[in-house]
Amino acid sequence: KNQVEQSPQSLIILEGKNCTLQCNYTVSPFSNLRWYKQDTGRGPVSLTIMTFSENTKSNGRYTATLDADTKQSSLHITASQLSDSASYICVVTKKRDSSYKLIFGSGTRLLVRP
Amino acid sequence: DTEVTQTPKHLVMGMTNKKSLKCEQHMGHRAMYWYKQKAKKPPELMFVYSYEKLSINESVPSRFSPECPNSSLLNLHLHALQPEDSALYLCASSQPLAGGYNEQFFGPGTRLTVL
Repeated sequence: KNQVEQSPQSLIILEGKNCTLQCNYTVSPFSNLRWYKQDTGRGPVSLTIMTFSENTKSNGRYTATLDADTKQSSLHITASQLSDSASYICVVTKKRDSSYKLIFGSGTRLLVRP
Repeated sequence: DTEVTQTPKHLVMGMTNKKSLKCEQHMGHRAMYWYKQKAKKPPELMFVYSYEKLSINESVPSRFSPECPNSSLLNLHLHALQPEDSALYLCASSQPLAGGYNEQFFGPGTRLTVL
């Protein structure tokens, strides 16, 4: 079964602290993995995208890692800001014949408090 | 222009109304998508258009009718909706898959409420 599991479901941290969000997947065949940030009532915005051969990718204070052997990914947020409060969604692309399908995780809701 | 725009931002409609959601992009993308997202849930794929032709319909009820009049526009026509259809409707676009990166760019969504 193609699944993307994220943990924790929700997280509260103080401004300035670091945090790490987890994503485990069983999607096969795997094409790529992305992390999106979604503010409440808004569309998701891409943070990083990684293919099978990429282990880590950074975008400012966001650093994503991918272990394709264990099928695990993490998103590390450094020096959190109030504006980081949002849902973070892990999305794995599954190859499907000549097309593909995005498999979404349920997201981690992050709240950064002053 | 790296933006996907959606109109309206909010829509309230009765179960007997007919309305349309609109999506537009000018990034030259030839794949466009409609997603439905309920609160605290991930987006669910509804339709995919590739080169202006419907390529994927995820068993969506016929009260939702997509239309892709040209490579920049995507519409979703709504008729006889149910209250459970209330959700955030997201449009996205990308280059069609050719392997490797096929990042989807999402619009801000239309918040639909069916009374």
